[in-house]
Amino acid sequence: GAVVSQHPSRVICKSGTSVKIECRSLDFQATTMFWYRQFPKQSLMLMATSNEGSKATYEQGVEKDKFLINHASLTLSTLTVTSAHPEDSSFYICSAPQTGRHEQYFGPGTRLTVT
Amino acid sequence: GIQVEQSPPDLILQEGANSTLRCNFSDSVNNLQWFHQNPWGQLINLFYIPSGTKQNGRLSATTVATERYSLLYISSSQTTDSGVYFCAGGGGADGLTFGKGTHLIIQP
Repeated sequence: GAVVSQHPSRVICKSGTSVKIECRSLDFQATTMFWYRQFPKQSLMLMATSNEGSKATYEQGVEKDKFLINHASLTLSTLTVTSAHPEDSSFYICSAPQTGRHEQYFGPGTRLTVT
Repeated sequence: GIQVEQSPPDLILQEGANSTLRCNFSDSVNNLQWFHQNPWGQLINLFYIPSGTKQNGRLSATTVATERYSLLYISSSQTTDSGVYFCAGGGGADGLTFGKGTHLIIQP
C-alpha cells in the first residue's frame, strides 16, 4: 500500500514553454501533498505544500507564479513549470502522507531538462 | 526551520562489514524518516521513526528524541546496499527537511 506515482518520468522541453507534472496517490487519499526539487548530487529541497481544495503554500525563495500547483482532488496534485528556463532543469519529486498520518511516501520523480 | 545534519558524508566499506549512519536535528520533530535513494532517484522508505528503535532484516534504526539524533545501522553489508541514504525530519503535517545524505559504497 501507500503508492505514489508521477507522470511523466522524464521530459525535455524548449526554453519558454510550460511543463505539467502529475502526482497521484494510487491507493490512498491525500489532502496534502508536497513537492521537492533535487539538483544533481544534492539533497532534496521542499518547494511547496499542495492542499486539496485550497491554495498551495510555497517555501521562501520559490516563485509561486513560476511553479503553479493545483490539488484538484484527494488523489491528484499537479505542478506546472511555466516559461521554463535551463536553470529549471532538475529532478522534481512529490510526496504524500496518508490522511491523518505523518509518514510520507514518495513518487519516483520527474527529470526535467530545459534546452 | 529545523536543520538536519548527516554523517559521515561518504563511507566506503567491504562487503560483510557493519556501518552506522548518524542524523542530528536542531529541534524537536514529530516525523523522522530514513530513506535509501536508488540509482534511478526513487526514494525507498526505510524507517518512520520519530522515537524508539525499529528493525527490518539487516537494517535497524534508533531515534533518541530527547537528544535530537537518530542512527541507522546496516549489518552484513551487501553491494546492493550501495547508494545515498537520507534522513529527513519535520513537524508532522509539514514537509520534510532533508540532510545532505551519506553516500555509501560497498565493495565486493
